[in-house]
Amino acid sequence: AQSVTQPDIHITVSEGASLELRCNYSYGATPYLFWYVQSPGQGLQLLLKYFSGDTLVQGIKGFEAEFKRSQSSFNLRKPSVHWSDAAEYFCAVGERRYGGATNKLIFGTGTLLAVQP
Amino acid sequence: EADIYQTPRYLVIGTGKKITLECSQTMGHDKMYWYQQDPGMELHLIHYSYGVNSTEKGDLSSESTVSRIRTEHFPLTLESARPSHTSQYLCASSFRRGYTFGSGTRLTVV
Repeated sequence: AQSVTQPDIHITVSEGASLELRCNYSYGATPYLFWYVQSPGQGLQLLLKYFSGDTLVQGIKGFEAEFKRSQSSFNLRKPSVHWSDAAEYFCAVGERRYGGATNKLIFGTGTLLAVQP
Repeated sequence: EADIYQTPRYLVIGTGKKITLECSQTMGHDKMYWYQQDPGMELHLIHYSYGVNSTEKGDLSSESTVSRIRTEHFPLTLESARPSHTSQYLCASSFRRGYTFGSGTRLTVV
């Protein structure tokens, strides 16, 4: 069965430090991969997505992610974290079933990022 | 600027009450979804719709029901709310592979 694992429940980094959030997936075919960010009390905002092509994907707010098929990973990175990046981050795999009529997402449990001044 | 709207943002309601969570999108997307999210947990799909008059249950069993009479509107109803329904409910719509999420409704049943 398809699944997404985010092994880090909670991460704290200092402002200005680099960041890497881990995401591993289990999927039988080439996956559609997403990273979302959720601020407290808010909905999900798409940071970036991978469908095909270049395995290094650039997103909004200075984030990037690299798809590594051999490791079944899609880790999110940012070279220099800002205090406003404190939020919860969700990795998701896009699933096609039912004759391709749906694009349901399977989400990881999320990683809560705290940023120290 | 949101193209998908959920109301109310917060709702505290007594056990046994009937409630409807509203979700509307202005993008003309055929596919719409309801996800349930408990604090610190992943999102689980509870309902989805391919289009008007098409609804299916998702991976997580839910006592809620949905309807899709108009493309832009996908309300979720709980006939008799219970404390176990306390959660955050996120509505989403998609076109091809792009998803847009609403801001969510945080429901508390007391």
